[in-house]
Amino acid sequence: AQRVTQPEKLLSVFKGAPVELKCNYSYSGSPELFWYVQYSRQRLQLLLRHISRESIKGFTADLNKGETSFHLKKPFAQEEDSAMYYCALNSGYSTLTFGKGTMLLVSP
Amino acid sequence: EAQVTQNPRYLITVTGKKLTVTCSQNMNHEYMSWYRQDPGLGLRQIYYSMNVEVTDKGDVPEGYKVSRKEKRNFPLILESPSPNQTSLYFCASSPYLPQRALYEQYFGPGTRLTVT
Repeated sequence: AQRVTQPEKLLSVFKGAPVELKCNYSYSGSPELFWYVQYSRQRLQLLLRHISRESIKGFTADLNKGETSFHLKKPFAQEEDSAMYYCALNSGYSTLTFGKGTMLLVSP
Repeated sequence: EAQVTQNPRYLITVTGKKLTVTCSQNMNHEYMSWYRQDPGLGLRQIYYSMNVEVTDKGDVPEGYKVSRKEKRNFPLILESPSPNQTSLYFCASSPYLPQRALYEQYFGPGTRLTVT
């Protein structure tokens, strides 16, 4: 069965510090992974997807099939990055399996 | 404006009183889905629909019903709500594309439901 694990419920950093939000997955097929973000009192929105290998708002994520990971990284955190981040796995038939989320708090 | 809308945004009700949360999208998406979001549990899928008249259970379907009579609407029905259904509910839609890698879900603003 597919599973997405985000081991940290809360990650607190200072502005300008590097950030890494961890995501590990378990899936027998070829994974399609996403990061979604939810800012305070807003709806979830797609941040990035592994297939496009893009950088959005300074965030990047690399799929590591050997370690079954899809960690989200940013070299210099900003206060406006404070939000809830969800890693998600497309597990076939357009069904997304979400991790439990990591709250990122960036302090000035 | 392309969007997913939900109504109501907030609802307080009592145990056993049937309710419906509506979801509508104007993007002509084939796929629609309902999730509930609970602290410490993240988002869990309740039901999803691949197209009109095609629905299927997600991870936590117990106590919920859905219907998909029109492409744009996907209401969530709680026939007999219970306190453990107190949660934040999100509807989402997506185009269904053969190239799954392009898949992205668009979320509604959420409905906060309290069952007393």
